[in-house]
Amino acid sequence: QKEVEQNSGPLSVPEGAIASLNCTYSDRGSQSFFWYRQYSGKSPELIMSIYSNGDKEDGRFTAQLNKASQYVSLLIRDSQPSDSATYLCALRPWETSYDKVIFGPGTSLSVIP
Amino acid sequence: DGGITQSPKYLFRKEGQNVTLSCEQNLNHDAMYWYRQDPGQGLRLIYYSQIVNDFQKGDIAEGYSVSREKKESFPLTVTSAQKNPTAFYLCASTLTDGNEKLFFGSGTQLSVL
Repeated sequence: QKEVEQNSGPLSVPEGAIASLNCTYSDRGSQSFFWYRQYSGKSPELIMSIYSNGDKEDGRFTAQLNKASQYVSLLIRDSQPSDSATYLCALRPWETSYDKVIFGPGTSLSVIP
Repeated sequence: DGGITQSPKYLFRKEGQNVTLSCEQNLNHDAMYWYRQDPGQGLRLIYYSQIVNDFQKGDIAEGYSVSREKKESFPLTVTSAQKNPTAFYLCASTLTDGNEKLFFGSGTQLSVL
């Protein structure tokens, strides 16, 4: 079983709609969760980080974490064409000594004007 | 300005040749990482290092080697044993407090001649 799984997409939503991106993980001890956005040919950039169960909102972005279900999601409200990118879910698995960060395969999002 | 510098931006490898990708950071970060990204895929961890003179294998370390002689530098060597080296290579760094985001370099695109 892969450690971090995401739907590869592409996910297409109309401009102004809510885009919902999902991620599941296998390491129940994982503590820190991140969503990165990556435009084609560019480096990933952090959008959201979340560490405890529940919702965390930042502008148009909301991250949701459910550790019991081993599930983290990202909602993008009022989607814009500039949101078209690949969204990468990342986490720190439970490791006793080292700060390892692993990524999911990413979900490609296309916002249609 | 603080940041991570990767060089070169593009690199070509001949069969049987070892090549080294440079990664330098002036952020005073403790941890550094190397990831490989294939087209349309997520990031896969090659090696990571938490302190000078110490590093750990990631999920796809075979055919790669690293060194961490200085805090600022974490070069990656792609050896001739790596039979499919064509990919986008990303270097990243972070503080090691468990919850900090990754700062990424601009990447190196490696291709085989």
